[in-house]
Amino acid sequence: DGGITQSPKYLFRKEGQNVTLSCEQNLNHDAMYWYRQDPGQGLRLIYYSQIVNDFQKGDIAEGYSVSREKKESFPLTVTSAQKNPTAFYLCASSTLGSNYGYTFGSGTRLTVV
Amino acid sequence: KQEVTQIPAALSVPEGENLVLNCSFTDSAIYNLQWFRQDPGKGLTSLLLIQSSQREQTSGRLNASLDKSSGRSTLYIAASQPGDSATYLCAVGNNNDMRFGAGTRLTVKP
Repeated sequence: DGGITQSPKYLFRKEGQNVTLSCEQNLNHDAMYWYRQDPGQGLRLIYYSQIVNDFQKGDIAEGYSVSREKKESFPLTVTSAQKNPTAFYLCASSTLGSNYGYTFGSGTRLTVV
Repeated sequence: KQEVTQIPAALSVPEGENLVLNCSFTDSAIYNLQWFRQDPGKGLTSLLLIQSSQREQTSGRLNASLDKSSGRSTLYIAASQPGDSATYLCAVGNNNDMRFGAGTRLTVKP
């Protein structure tokens, strides 16, 4: 079955540590996205990519970095510069133009300890 | 910048009731509108996608309407069941730029 896989489901980060969240899709979608979700708020866009080796900042990119070396993969690194990283992170993908809407992964919950 | 608002933030109804969830957006120049369901601690599951040229979409007990000129969409749930309890999110899309509302948390009581 086609879909998006996020791992790990839960992640704990110590102060000053970088962590990487994985996102893999087998839908043959060109576009991939990372969102952050905080309680009571809508999803906020961190980064997105429409083609391999290219990506753009979203609304809240500070403290995050991404790469897109393969069409299927779009990992997100939460760096030590992100001062409030505790949140639920969601990865999504779509065709270019998003004519068929977005497909989401199951999310990664990141907690700072 | 597109702003998406969902009212109410929370809704509790008895089982069997028909209900309507509301979504409003500020910029009518959209490609599509998508309704999602989110269970606690889970990802988003797509329920219905309405293209900008369409007025409504139906799937089972769900019906979503779109009125671009007034910047509104509604999600109608017929004969609600306890299993419908979840958060429902509305998202408005414009060429790979999807904007989300904060969601309506629905509780259906047995």
